Amino acid sequence: QVQLVESGGGVVQPGRSLRLSCAASGFFFSTYGMHWVRQAPGKGLEWVAVISFDVSDIHYADSVKGRFTISRDNSKSTLYLHMNSLRGEDTAVYYCARPRGGWYDAFDIWGQGTKVTVSS
Amino acid sequence: EIVLTQSPATLSLSPGERATLSCRASQSVSSYLAWYQQKPGQAPRLLIYDASNRATGIPARFSGSGSGTDFTLTISSLEPEDFAVYYCQQRSYWPLTFGPGTKVDIK
Repeated sequence: QVQLVESGGGVVQPGRSLRLSCAASGFFFSTYGMHWVRQAPGKGLEWVAVISFDVSDIHYADSVKGRFTISRDNSKSTLYLHMNSLRGEDTAVYYCARPRGGWYDAFDIWGQGTKVTVSS
Repeated sequence: EIVLTQSPATLSLSPGERATLSCRASQSVSSYLAWYQQKPGQAPRLLIYDASNRATGIPARFSGSGSGTDFTLTISSLEPEDFAVYYCQQRSYWPLTFGPGTKVDIK
């Protein structure tokens, strides 16, 4: 069955780094653009980043640009989010999400999320 | 950045009633608007894509309409499992943006 499973979340001090992973299964990962979306505690959804299927195109939200890096390993069907210089406002549940078709289409498959807490 | 405004913030209704949720974009997003449902502790679920198309497995009581800047999600007759938060999202421009959500709770 089509599935996304995130991992790598945890508690980290401000200014430190963390890498999130999203393992995909049940579909041809290498043919889909992939996204990260986050949700701060008690807040709404915020789109974070996207990477095209072939890594030729990448976009970031302004709030993370220059600090976060999205990447993927198609041989492992895995999406990554490298987060540097973490701040308190980065505290959130991070979801990976697959678009329906085109790489910026609506998200029809979501992972269960991984929680990141930035705190000293 | 496209700003999406959702109204009302909270909608208090009883099972069986009709729910009408609104999403307004700060500029035209054509028909590139989706609706998601989220329950506590769960990931969002896609309901409607491209303004009016139901996603796979979504019941017919959910319908979407609109284009340009004004969009509506209608739940024709609320079931107990429909009480949740609903978000709209546009995919017309980078960055992709979500609305702040409408909470549908039990009256």
